[in-house]
Parts: sequence; structure tokens; C-alpha cells
Amino acid sequence: DAKTTQPPSMDCAEGRAANLPCNHSTISGNEYVYWYRQIHSQGPQYIIHGLKNNETNEMASLIITEDRKSSTLILPHATLRDTAVYYCIVRVGRGQGGKLIFGQGTELSVKP
Amino acid sequence: DTGVSQDPRHKITKRGQNVTFRCDPISEHNRLYWYRQTLGQGPEFLTYFQNEAQLEKSRLLSDRFSAERPKGSFSTLEIQRTEQGDSAMYLCASSLIRGGTEAFFGQGTRLTVV
Repeated sequence: DAKTTQPPSMDCAEGRAANLPCNHSTISGNEYVYWYRQIHSQGPQYIIHGLKNNETNEMASLIITEDRKSSTLILPHATLRDTAVYYCIVRVGRGQGGKLIFGQGTELSVKP
Repeated sequence: DTGVSQDPRHKITKRGQNVTFRCDPISEHNRLYWYRQTLGQGPEFLTYFQNEAQLEKSRLLSDRFSAERPKGSFSTLEIQRTEQGDSAMYLCASSLIRGGTEAFFGQGTRLTVV
């Protein structure tokens, strides 16, 4: 079963920051938080992942709370092409196969 | 292109026929995962390989499904005696064993059973 909870949908205005929340209150110490997005009919696209520290790459920033029970994905300047379903995933440890267990995700709509 | 490759992208088959899908992972990735995704749902884990060994199978993987990864390189997923309920997107992903690394997905094979 998925170990994350996300809002089913969100809207964001084009050019503004999109902040997508995720709760993962049962995360274990060696489990990472991963974010993927999926545009209709395509495979999931990797965005970012982190363990404890905040992370940033060319696509997004990931803010993880100090207790690791929740995180926020930030798309700093959302464009229409960022419209997609965003999945927050707690990846099981490599000793258990490193599977990604998907939940329902957040459907983000970026509007002009 | 050095990403995960899946073939075919689309497959339409008649109920009762057998189908086989292929996944070519990123070359140095030891782990390979298969997922199934139905409309409106997130991908569901089916099975995974570490090199050539199949280490876990989900209860979703009925006896009609079989997966192989000979020589630890490409993998195939076969569905025998297809049913309409098998219609879905079948996704393949690969990653290194090392913890905290990315897992990359292919574009999937969309199966329609008529």
C-alpha cells in the first residue's frame, strides 16, 4: 500500500510557483521520498528525490520537514507544460527491492 | 537514446491470444521493474528483477503472466490467454541497486484486448 497522502487536484496560475504537498507520516529512516510526474499516455518522469535535506535541481525543489513526515515539491515558475499528475512516493529500502509504490497522485492544472 | 525502451508502444489483440512485451533497461542498471497502469489509477507494481533473478512477484501477477530477464539485460513480459481485464498500460523501469538512486521509466506498452 502507498505510504503517502496527496490532495487529488490543484490549480496554479502560469508563471507562479506550484507547491505540491505530501504527507508520509510512517516513513522509515532509510526510505527516500521520490517525486514523479506523468503526462497523459506517457511513462512517469523522474523529478527529484531526497532523504533528509532539501534538494534542488533544474526541474524543481524538494522541501522535507525536519521530522520527515511531510514534504513539498516546488515548481518555481509553472508553465502550461507542467500540467500533469504528480506522484509523491516513499521508496522502499534497497533490501526490500527498492520498489516505488504509487498512490493516486495530485492532478496539477496550470492555467493561463 | 540511453533511456528505458519498450516495444511495442501499442498492441491490440483478441481475447484468448498470447502477447509478449519487451523492455530494454538503461545498460548499467541491475534492477528492472514491471508495472501495470489502468485508466485513472497510479501504476501498480507487478514484479522486479535483480540482474537475471526474479526476486518478487505481486499477487496481481496471475499464472497467466510470466516475466523473464535472461542474462540480466532486456526483459520480456508475456500474458497468456489474454482477457479484457488485461487491457492497461504496461510500464517498465530500471535502476541501480544502490540506495537513493533514480529509477527511470519507459514510455510503456498500451495493451487493448478486444
